Amino acid sequence: AQSVTQLGSHVSVSEGALVLLRCNYSSSVPPYLFWYVQYPNQGLQLLLKYTTGATLVKGINGFEAEFKKSETSFHLTKPSAHMSDAAEYFCAVTTNSGGGADGLTFGKGTHLIIQP
Amino acid sequence: KAGVTQTPRYLIKTRGQQVTLSCSPISGHRSVSWYQQTPGQGLQFLFEYFSETQRNKGNFPGRFSGRQFSNSRSEMNVSTLELGDSALYLCASSWGLAVRTGELFFGEGSRLTVL
Repeated sequence: AQSVTQLGSHVSVSEGALVLLRCNYSSSVPPYLFWYVQYPNQGLQLLLKYTTGATLVKGINGFEAEFKKSETSFHLTKPSAHMSDAAEYFCAVTTNSGGGADGLTFGKGTHLIIQP
Repeated sequence: KAGVTQTPRYLIKTRGQQVTLSCSPISGHRSVSWYQQTPGQGLQFLFEYFSETQRNKGNFPGRFSGRQFSNSRSEMNVSTLELGDSALYLCASSWGLAVRTGELFFGEGSRLTVL
């Protein structure tokens, strides 16, 4: 079975500072990895995804993530935080194995707080 | 292109009642997935429908059921409501099976409160 662990339920950074949200996954087969963002009272929106190929993936709003197989990680970063980045961020995994009993498996989420 | 539409957005029910939630996917998307979101458990997968067939199912009791129509619209039903069913129910659509594409387009959710 696949699983996702997001370290830190809350992360606080100053505006203009580096954003780093941590995600580690567990999967017995090559994973597909995703980051989603959820703003208050809204559904989730895809930020970026890794399937195959280049391990550094760029997404919307200046975010990027790097797939590191040896560390089973897919951490999300942004060089300079903006107030509008305040939201809940979810890491997710699927394996494209066809079994899919778990659907897309999400982490518990990290609430990003931006300090002015 | 219209997004995923969920109705109703908010509803209040009492224990023992049943509820039906509706989801209209993005035009052309054939897969609809349902998730339950709560503060304690986070996002939990309920089920996925593709071409009117349930393809995947999460670990929820049989009180939770769903269906998909020929136009890809989907409904989910919860019978004999319990207090613990209070949650935000999110619908997501994708062009292919979600477990294969992972790229889901979410609606804004239906917030269910059970009293």
